[in-house]
Amino acid sequence: EAGVTQFPSHSVIEKGQTVTLRCDPISGHDNLYWYRRVMGKEIKFLLHFVKESKQDESGMPNNRFLAERTGGTYSTLKVQPAELEDSGVYFCASSQGPRGGDTQYFGPGTRLTVL
Amino acid sequence: RKEVEQDPGPFNVPEGATVAFNCTYSNSASQSFFWYRQDCRKEPKLLMSVYSSGNEDGRFTAQLNRASQYISLLIRDSKLSDSATYLCVVEKTYKYIFGTGTRLKVLA
Repeated sequence: EAGVTQFPSHSVIEKGQTVTLRCDPISGHDNLYWYRRVMGKEIKFLLHFVKESKQDESGMPNNRFLAERTGGTYSTLKVQPAELEDSGVYFCASSQGPRGGDTQYFGPGTRLTVL
Repeated sequence: RKEVEQDPGPFNVPEGATVAFNCTYSNSASQSFFWYRQDCRKEPKLLMSVYSSGNEDGRFTAQLNRASQYISLLIRDSKLSDSATYLCVVEKTYKYIFGTGTRLKVLA
């Protein structure tokens, strides 16, 4: 069974540009999560989808970040315009649900560098 | 104060040693508990879930103390391949809250 996949693996952009990250969850997983690790800090929650609906977006840093999950399948996370402090590794995870304690499986991450 | 606290290490131990990691969490409403392993520049991978009754998986034993809000991981007979960062994770309403991780290096 294929795991969680993310694209691109790396992205280097300049401040003010736009970047879109993509996540494909494990097939059949209703729950999709975005997390971020900035250098020297712990991995932090950004948001949670159940199918196509945003269940919890309490971790989104500001309105420069927009996440979507069209049709309840893959998800995109767009940063527009990017700032220096957005640099970090963005992880996507998925879980089958519906229980909150279900294991979350992580993708390999997208390493974003904003210059 | 961080919601999940871990000693960042590094712990440098010889092969065959026993090593223990501890973690404390601040939110008593936390619902599920895990240890994840993360290799350098890779994604976190589930090592084991943690239960109050304690659970064991081969050389690994995890324990949860809800009263003290404390989670532990014991690794016996350390192998070189155990070198990694061990992440303590607490789940509340689907959201994972991570500790900063404890780095382990097993030396030959």
